[in-house]
Amino acid sequence: DAGVIQSPRHEVTEMGQEVTLRCKPISGHDYLFWYRQTMMRGLELLIYFNNNVPIDDSGMPEDRFSAKMPNASFSTLKIQPSEPRDSAVYFCASSPRQGWGTEAFFGQGTRLTVV
Amino acid sequence: TQLLEQSPQFLSIQEGENLTVYCNSSSVFSSLQWYRQEPGEGPVLLVTVVTGGEVKKLKRLTFQFGDARKDSSLHITAAQPGDTGLYLCAGRSSGNQFYFGTGTSLTVIP
Repeated sequence: DAGVIQSPRHEVTEMGQEVTLRCKPISGHDYLFWYRQTMMRGLELLIYFNNNVPIDDSGMPEDRFSAKMPNASFSTLKIQPSEPRDSAVYFCASSPRQGWGTEAFFGQGTRLTVV
Repeated sequence: TQLLEQSPQFLSIQEGENLTVYCNSSSVFSSLQWYRQEPGEGPVLLVTVVTGGEVKKLKRLTFQFGDARKDSSLHITAAQPGDTGLYLCAGRSSGNQFYFGTGTSLTVIP
């Protein structure tokens, strides 16, 4: 398996523009997580899905952020409009079915810079 | 949000030294994991501990889960430059979220 695939790897955009980050989870994984990582706040959970259904979006910072999972093999995180404080590395992770020993498999992340 | 505090935040040591990293929380977790992250990459799982008091060893790394399942420690013996990276603890809640700690950035100097 190729692992969790995220695109793009790097994104530079101007303030006010719409940004869409993409994720392809590992096939067969029931859970998908979106995280944001910054030096100040570490790795923050934004939202997670179970079987394509959003379960907990309490970590989404503002209404400018939205996430979708139209099918089991694809998810997007959209920021509209983007602001400089959104600059961070965004990770997508997937995990197999519920189980205490299961792990989160991470993609390589998307480094977002909003200028 | 279930907060996991790690200490120290930064650690720089000489090759061959021993070190311990701590992960503490006020919450009880069903399981606790340790990940290592290298620059430009996502975190990668090192170990999962499930039972209070559990100790697991992975070569020179020893992981311990507190009796109350609220804290954990990672001990590295005879650190090597290849151990350099960001170490993250993560607690999995009953709701299946993974909550990550604040991280410990380790640098091992040759």
